[in-house]
Amino acid sequence: EIVMTQSPATLSMSPGERATLSCRASQSISSDLAWYQQKPGQAPRLLIYGASTRATGIPARFSGSGSGTEFTLTISSLQSEDFAVYYCQQYNNWPPLTFGGGTKVEIK
Amino acid sequence: EVQLVESGGGLVQPGGSLRLSCAASGFTFSSYNMNWVRQAPGKGLEWLSYISNSGSSMFYADSVKGRFTTSRDNARNSLFLQMHNLRAEDTALYYCVRGICTTCDTGRWFDPWGQGTLVTVSS
Repeated sequence: EIVMTQSPATLSMSPGERATLSCRASQSISSDLAWYQQKPGQAPRLLIYGASTRATGIPARFSGSGSGTEFTLTISSLQSEDFAVYYCQQYNNWPPLTFGGGTKVEIK
Repeated sequence: EVQLVESGGGLVQPGGSLRLSCAASGFTFSSYNMNWVRQAPGKGLEWLSYISNSGSSMFYADSVKGRFTTSRDNARNSLFLQMHNLRAEDTALYYCVRGICTTCDTGRWFDPWGQGTLVTVSS
């Protein structure tokens, strides 16, 4: 099973700042990585797949990068609606499909 | 609009059974694989099961293998999760999710997600 590790667990940021979230895979997963955003009381929403391709309707301030075992989600300028929990998910080697533990982006 | 609506959650005693349903609309259900993902209260996401578009192939997480069974009815655009021998640790919000792939020689990512149905296992 591929273990996904996200860091940090919590990121305290101010609106307008640049946020950088990390996701590490326990073995190479090529670019088979997705990112999701989950707001309180809501279902997760797909942001990124293929490590760097934005899903339909996702603002350009969200960008993904990386391959192999190291991945990054960057939010270029945090908006109020971006404060949420973010999860990465690998789909290279399955079953099982596995998620990281999440990074909470909170308002400083 | 693509929509997934789960139902069937509730309170069940340890050792009990429950059947979850997911009604799909807004897309050609029979063309897509489907999955169940759960989220325990205050915790992260856990993939549980996959079923191919035809229903001929299924995979499960080790945590539910042998206890949970996923099935689908393409004529009724519906997905199901039959859960037996439920445990306290199965308490979670259960999401129905559509699996997406491009070349499909690897796994799937999930889009969209339903709003979830809550299962509580307690005496």
